[in-house]
Amino acid sequence: EAGVTQFPSHSVIEKGQTVTLRCDPISGHDNLYWYRRVMGKEIKFLLHFVKESKQDESGMPNNRFLAERTGGTYSTLKVQPAELEDSGVYFCASSSSRGGYTFGSGTRLTVV
Amino acid sequence: AQSVTQPDIHITVSEGASLELRCNYSYGATPYLFWYVQSPGQGLQLLLKYFSGDTLVQGIKGFEAEFKRSQSSFNLRKPSVHWSDAAEYFCAVSPSSNYQLIWGAGTKLIIKP
Repeated sequence: EAGVTQFPSHSVIEKGQTVTLRCDPISGHDNLYWYRRVMGKEIKFLLHFVKESKQDESGMPNNRFLAERTGGTYSTLKVQPAELEDSGVYFCASSSSRGGYTFGSGTRLTVV
Repeated sequence: AQSVTQPDIHITVSEGASLELRCNYSYGATPYLFWYVQSPGQGLQLLLKYFSGDTLVQGIKGFEAEFKRSQSSFNLRKPSVHWSDAAEYFCAVSPSSNYQLIWGAGTKLIIKP
């Protein structure tokens, strides 16, 4: 089966611009997660979708971050406007109801 | 608060030598425990997981981990490392199988030839 796909793999944007990250989970996986690793820090949870619903968005840092999962398939994470501290690697993972996360390769976001 | 500690930021090991990476967690009950590896330019790959049962868990690539409830530890081991094991290793915990993961800071493994 195809894995979790994230794109772009890298993005360099200027402070104040908007960036949209995309995650395509494994087909049939209802659970989709976003995580972020800021340079030198731990990987941190951002949010969890079950199908198209936000199950837990307690990790979203502020209202500049907007996540959607239309139709319960792929998900997007938009950062608007981007700030320097948003730089890091954004990981997406998906899992079925039986559990077991599969991660994508991540998107490395650099805000300059 | 729940937390995961990986006390070693970097570890250098000679090729062929044994390896142990430490992980301690702080959690109210026995959580689900995971080890992931991230090779350069790659995503996060699951090495092994512990949910219940036998406290010695076998994973991929010759890795194993032992859950010790009394020490709140889940250390990762490999009897003989290969140059391809050079990567960053992450320990993570979760209260259930479909819940957010709480991560350690990671340990970078450097292999000396």
